[in-house]
Amino acid sequence: DARVTQTPRHKVTEMGQEVTMRCQPILGHNTVFWYRQTMMQGLELLAYFRNRAPLDDSGMPKDRFSAEMPDATLATLKIQPSEPRDSAVYFCASGSTPGTDTQYFGPGTRLTVL
Amino acid sequence: SQQGEEDPQALSIQEGENATMNCSYKTSINNLQWYRQNSGRGLVHLILIRSNEREKHSGRLRVTLDTSKKSSSLLITASRAADTASYFCATALSRYATDSWGKLQFGAGTQVVVTP
Repeated sequence: DARVTQTPRHKVTEMGQEVTMRCQPILGHNTVFWYRQTMMQGLELLAYFRNRAPLDDSGMPKDRFSAEMPDATLATLKIQPSEPRDSAVYFCASGSTPGTDTQYFGPGTRLTVL
Repeated sequence: SQQGEEDPQALSIQEGENATMNCSYKTSINNLQWYRQNSGRGLVHLILIRSNEREKHSGRLRVTLDTSKKSSSLLITASRAADTASYFCATALSRYATDSWGKLQFGAGTQVVVTP
């Protein structure tokens, strides 16, 4: 049963600390997305990759957020330094393009910045 | 602004009733998809309808697409308590209309509560 996995599932940290979230896309998928979900803003696309190359990170605060794909089985999203307004659920999703653009979501990382 | 916007924002029904929610979008699409999100979970793909299709069924789900009105509807028949979730429409833009193909544009979602 192929699934997107994300670690950690929950993270509580203090303002100013570095946070790293990890995602393992479904094997064979070539597109990876990072989303942030909050009650106020809903689901926001932060960044996405195709064949490990970043295509669009315009939704990401550049000064503190960074997203990378060190290899095809790992995507990372880092926040440094973290702020209370970064508290949200962060989802990773993967897909295969060209195709239907269907995305398969991971369970999310719930981040709380105190 | 979001490409897809769902209506209503919230819907409360009893088990056995049908639930209908609508989605409107703004630009040319390649396909439109519906996702479900249970509380505290990731989104799950439900059904996809292509721009050249008008109606599609999957189990108790029925999706319609009207490209002239740029709108879609999702009907859940004979709802169950387990259908309680948020439902999102997402549009895949036509790759001939944008360089941003491969992304999905999600709406704000419809929160559905089904009471026993």
